Amino acid sequence: GAGVSQTPSNKVTEKGKYVELRCDPISGHTALYWYRQSLGQGPEFLIYFQGTGAADDSGLPNDRFFAVRPEGSVSTLKIQRTERGDSAVYLCASSPTGEGADTQYFGPGTRLTVL
Amino acid sequence: AQSVSQHNHHVILSEAASLELGCNYSYGGTVNLFWYVQYPGQHLQLLLKYFSGDPLVKGIKGFEAEFIKSKFSFNLRKPSVQWSDTAEYFCAVNEYNTDKLIFGTGTRLQVFP
Repeated sequence: GAGVSQTPSNKVTEKGKYVELRCDPISGHTALYWYRQSLGQGPEFLIYFQGTGAADDSGLPNDRFFAVRPEGSVSTLKIQRTERGDSAVYLCASSPTGEGADTQYFGPGTRLTVL
Repeated sequence: AQSVSQHNHHVILSEAASLELGCNYSYGGTVNLFWYVQYPGQHLQLLLKYFSGDPLVKGIKGFEAEFIKSKFSFNLRKPSVQWSDTAEYFCAVNEYNTDKLIFGTGTRLQVFP
């Protein structure tokens, strides 16, 4: 079956611009996660959705970052006034229930470059 | 805050050599532990996970990991590596019944024929 998909695969933008990154989770998965992976680092948690609601947004670095999941399926990560330090690979993952022992299935990521 | 340490940043082996990658975590309570692998050009995928029961966990492709609670460790092992095991390996942990994964910085494994 289809895995987690993310679009675009690459995004180049200029400092100060607004970007949206999209994630399509595995069908039927109620939990959706966003992570950010900087060069040479492991993925870093940003936000977790259970259904339509953000159950844990403690990883969002500041108020320029926002994410939505209005119908409990597709999610969009939104970054305002991008900065060069936002350059990273943004990973989306989904899991069937969101319980701690659940396997999270990762998408291919969106590579964001802020010039 | 929880943290995960992977002490081996880059490991180079010849085929058929044995592998052990270290992983230590900081949380003292009940945890779920994971090893993920990222092959070149591919996305992260689960190798194995521990959440209860037998502390020796077997995963895909001949990998296994042992949870040693007293050492806060979850080391990954494989008795005989193959060229196709060349990849980056990430250890991750979450607190029992919580959501987010805390990842280590990863270990890059290169296997030469």
